[in-house]
Amino acid sequence: SQQGEEDPQALSIQEGENATMNCSYKTSINNLQWYRQNSGRGLVHLILIRSNEREKHSGRLRVTLDTSKKSSSLLITASRAADTASYFCAKFDALDQFYFGTGTSLTVIP
Amino acid sequence: NAGVTQTPKFQVLKTGQSMTLQCAQDMNHEYMSWYRQDPGMGLRLIHYSVGAGITDQGEVPNGYNVSRSTTEDFPLRLLSAAPSQTSVYFCASSYSRARWGYTFGSGTRLTVV
Repeated sequence: SQQGEEDPQALSIQEGENATMNCSYKTSINNLQWYRQNSGRGLVHLILIRSNEREKHSGRLRVTLDTSKKSSSLLITASRAADTASYFCAKFDALDQFYFGTGTSLTVIP
Repeated sequence: NAGVTQTPKFQVLKTGQSMTLQCAQDMNHEYMSWYRQDPGMGLRLIHYSVGAGITDQGEVPNGYNVSRSTTEDFPLRLLSAAPSQTSVYFCASSYSRARWGYTFGSGTRLTVV
């Protein structure tokens, strides 16, 4: 499969802790994107990181990209109950294909 | 509010029936696409369009048709519904296919009995 995987599939943490989710892929990419999906809702775009970038920040979110390991990570610092959602990475590869992973389900316990 | 609007939000069909899922965006996005989301499968691309009059197949196009007569609208037609098409359908749009993030609609939950 071209899709790659998110890891872990599910994560449960206490409010205030940091949450780290990982995304691996198999082929070269042009960019990688992270999305959040709250239960019963559509996906919301969080961050896009290009293949020549190594790190991007947006508020409490930090995304890193390691093209040598074909992996990316999403770090949410000082998590809140409202961060409870599923998080997906999506890869745009060198063959012009765009794939979503199967997601990480994050539960933040108040 | 600007964004992607999908209708209906819920639909139950009988096997063999046809229907159209509507998608409209008011952001002047050239790129529009349809995904289906099934448990454990992530999102899979059904069809996409890079501009009015241009459509192409995605990963799982069988049983679905699309057209793009205007920039704003991108309807998805189910020709003869099957239970395997029970899913949640999302429409997404963007300024471009590759360089920008996508804006998603809130989804249509379809059940085929």
